[in-house]
Amino acid sequence: QKEVEQNSGPLSVPEGAIASLNCTYSDRGSQSFFWYRQYSGKSPELIMFIYSNGDKEDGRFTAQLNKASQYVSLLIRDSQPSDSATYLCAAFSGGYNKLIFGAGTRLAVHP
Amino acid sequence: DAGITQSPRHKVTETGTPVTLRCHQTENHRYMYWYRQDPGHGLRLIHYSYGVKDTDKGEVSDGYSVSRSKTEDFLLTLESATSSQTSVYFCATGQGANTEAFFGQGTRLTVV
Repeated sequence: QKEVEQNSGPLSVPEGAIASLNCTYSDRGSQSFFWYRQYSGKSPELIMFIYSNGDKEDGRFTAQLNKASQYVSLLIRDSQPSDSATYLCAAFSGGYNKLIFGAGTRLAVHP
Repeated sequence: DAGITQSPRHKVTETGTPVTLRCHQTENHRYMYWYRQDPGHGLRLIHYSYGVKDTDKGEVSDGYSVSRSKTEDFLLTLESATSSQTSVYFCATGQGANTEAFFGQGTRLTVV
């Protein structure tokens, strides 16, 4: 079992819709979680981080964490074609001092 | 952005030769990571460091070694390159435990 799992997609949504990206993790000791966006041929860049159960909002982005279910999600409201990218979920494994990524979900926003 | 520089940016090497990739940071971050990225696999952790001379193996460490003799530099060595090590390699740094990582520009390595 991979430590961080994501659906590889592609997830296709129309412009203006809500895109929902999901991630599960296996290490119950993980305490911090991150969402990165990666455009083709570029480096990953941080979008959101979340440490506590519940929702965290930043502009059009909302990260959700449920530690009991070991589940993290990212919602993108009013999706734009410029949001088309691969979204990577990451968890910091406190017991092992390492940051582990999932395989990423490719999002395509079509006009 | 954290000042993270990877060198070289591109390299073609022959099977069986040793290769060293360098990651240099100017942010005084304690954590440094080496990942490889291949289609369908996302970012896979090769080795990481949580302090000078403190390193540990990641998910895909076979055939790789690392060294960190000072805070700024984290070296990744492919002891004897194989075609399966053709990949894009990313270095990342983080201030400490449970903090986000900042990425370098990546190194595209081709082993022929």
